[in-house]
Amino acid sequence: DTAVSQTPKYLVTQMGNDKSIKCEQNLGHDTMYWYKQDSKKFLKIMFSYNNKELIINETVPNRFSPKSPDKAHLNLHINSLELGDSAVYFCASSQAASYFPGELFFGEGSRLTVL
Amino acid sequence: AQSVAQPEDQVNVAEGNPLTVKCTYSVSGNPYLFWYVQYPNRGLQFLLKYITGDNLVKGSYGFEAEFNKSQTSFHLKKPSALVSDSALYFCAVRDSAESSYKLIFGSGTRLLVRP
Repeated sequence: DTAVSQTPKYLVTQMGNDKSIKCEQNLGHDTMYWYKQDSKKFLKIMFSYNNKELIINETVPNRFSPKSPDKAHLNLHINSLELGDSAVYFCASSQAASYFPGELFFGEGSRLTVL
Repeated sequence: AQSVAQPEDQVNVAEGNPLTVKCTYSVSGNPYLFWYVQYPNRGLQFLLKYITGDNLVKGSYGFEAEFNKSQTSFHLKKPSALVSDSALYFCAVRDSAESSYKLIFGSGTRLLVRP
């Protein structure tokens, strides 16, 4: 049973389209994250939610909008896709970030290719 | 703001030899330090962490890391490398003085273990 699962695993789309990536964790964690890994493998945090509340919001274009319907789910919606959005997007979760520096558990990644 | 540096893009080592993957960090408060491994087309997997206490931390797959406060380093080590250890390794840091709970990753070091 996968701990952190993301769908879809691969996404190929045209510039200007809107797409969503979904993430679910069954670890009972309170905190979830979105990271972007570029072609050079550099990992950058985008967003984090703690129990459905946004706690980290990095300098990301407002075309990116996270949504957390409950603490087990964190989705990422991207509007008006651009070539530079092509990357692998990783979802992760951890115990409550506010009081425990616990490790992150990552999903397998969603590879987005914008043509 | 916290930062982490991995000075080597790639480390090459022969199977059976010891390996070291370097990491240095910069924080305002106390560091929480982590090592993760990424195999091709997979998400990151947690290896080990330093929060407090003993400077030598043991983790998964025979890896260990040594926290050195004076040198602000947290190098990853293994006494005897395996070909299957070949992967991308990330060091990460969270600053106890930061309220944002961000985990910042280094740029990654590719480990290549030759038979």
